[in-house]
Amino acid sequence: GESVGLHLPTLSVQEGDNSIINCAYSNSASDYFIWYKQESGKGPQFIIDIRSNMDKRQGQRVTVLLNKTVKHLSLQIAATQPGDSAVYFCAENAIPGSARQLTFGSGTQLTVLP
Amino acid sequence: NAGVTQTPKFQVLKTGQSMTLQCAQDMNHNSMYWYRQDPGMGLRLIYYSASEGTTDKGEVPNGYNVSRLNKREFSLRLESAAPSQTSVYFCASRVDRGGEKLFFGSGTQLSVL
Repeated sequence: GESVGLHLPTLSVQEGDNSIINCAYSNSASDYFIWYKQESGKGPQFIIDIRSNMDKRQGQRVTVLLNKTVKHLSLQIAATQPGDSAVYFCAENAIPGSARQLTFGSGTQLTVLP
Repeated sequence: NAGVTQTPKFQVLKTGQSMTLQCAQDMNHNSMYWYRQDPGMGLRLIYYSASEGTTDKGEVPNGYNVSRLNKREFSLRLESAAPSQTSVYFCASRVDRGGEKLFFGSGTQLSVL
């Protein structure tokens, strides 16, 4: 079956810089995408989501970009802070309304350097 | 507001032992899920319950059973634990309208020796 993948397993950024975490997906039928943050020893925490009828969505210090042409999803974190250090997962859903079909990537470890 | 609560947080079992992982949510969600997370892999769905009284298999159901006790509680049972079931287990519940966003508990770290 199709699955979500990540370009880089680790990413290190300087505090205050912007972070960009990438995600590739292969299922062209996916219409919903979501980013989670997972701190060590904790459960995944929702960050932001986007539907396939949008190219960009902004939250507080975070922006998700969706490029359906190349099946690419990215999470941008502005002014990265030490508290942003975590593993970031993307997930896609090929069947609207069914969380059962969420396919998760393996995650990118973001480390914020002082 | 506690959200999704899982117990225990840590557990060590011997091969062949049984145990039940407990999960409760206080958000009045209809749907609840059990996932496992292994190093270097994404979350994989074990079982889910779309509503009270119903359960369905996910991607990796072998070796597990579940019970949707009521709307709040969804338990996961290992009848005869195996080392391959060493993992971190997450319970989640879902907003019933407005998308597929899942709310996760803090996880149970299970080791089977």
